[in-house]
Amino acid sequence: ELQESGPAVVEPSGTLSLTCSVSGGSISGPSWWSWLRQSPGKGLEWIADVYHDETTRNYNPSHKSRVNVVIEKSTNQFFLRLTSVTAADTAVYHCARGRATYFDVWGQGALVTVSS
Amino acid sequence: QSALTQPPSASGSPGQSVTISCAGTSSDVGGYNYVSWYRHVPGKAPQLLIYEVNKRPSGVPDRFSGSKSGNTASLTVSGLQTDDEAYYYCSSYGGRYNFYVFGTGTQITVL
Repeated sequence: ELQESGPAVVEPSGTLSLTCSVSGGSISGPSWWSWLRQSPGKGLEWIADVYHDETTRNYNPSHKSRVNVVIEKSTNQFFLRLTSVTAADTAVYHCARGRATYFDVWGQGALVTVSS
Repeated sequence: QSALTQPPSASGSPGQSVTISCAGTSSDVGGYNYVSWYRHVPGKAPQLLIYEVNKRPSGVPDRFSGSKSGNTASLTVSGLQTDDEAYYYCSSYGGRYNFYVFGTGTQITVL
């Protein structure tokens, strides 16, 4: 099971930081730990992922310059950091476990609003 | 990175079947056998229904089936139940630079 947490409101030009807590299994198992989002009225969008041993990170080209994903094995969590946010980054953010070509476990999502 | 095209809505009566299409290109749907389908009830975690075009994860009933022809994939839900009301999204691996492309989503309504 995955659960997202973090601030619900972020100021424009600020940094969006979210945590995904993994329960029921180890984050160290062979998986891709991923972040996706759904903006109001739009479909799902993959943002980035990191391999369980942090040897590889992949990014959506649209966000690559602003995104980082890291893992903290001691707490079984992984994190999303998105810098220089604008209103266009307002969305429900989901974390998920990736299996290279699909996502088999998802969190229920956390709404983040970019607003002053 | 263009979204895959799905019809915005589909409907059927209980017990009937409904099929949702997912149109892509030769760079995503047509280029790989890596189409997956997800069911999403807003406020809940999306659920994987189908992966690698036509494989079902453990626990997903065989009422859900997937297929692909050329650049278009399809999801069929047989024996519609009221619980099937949700949004359904397709996704395809899009290669080394696009990675994952999602569909525009289809809302299924059970009449």
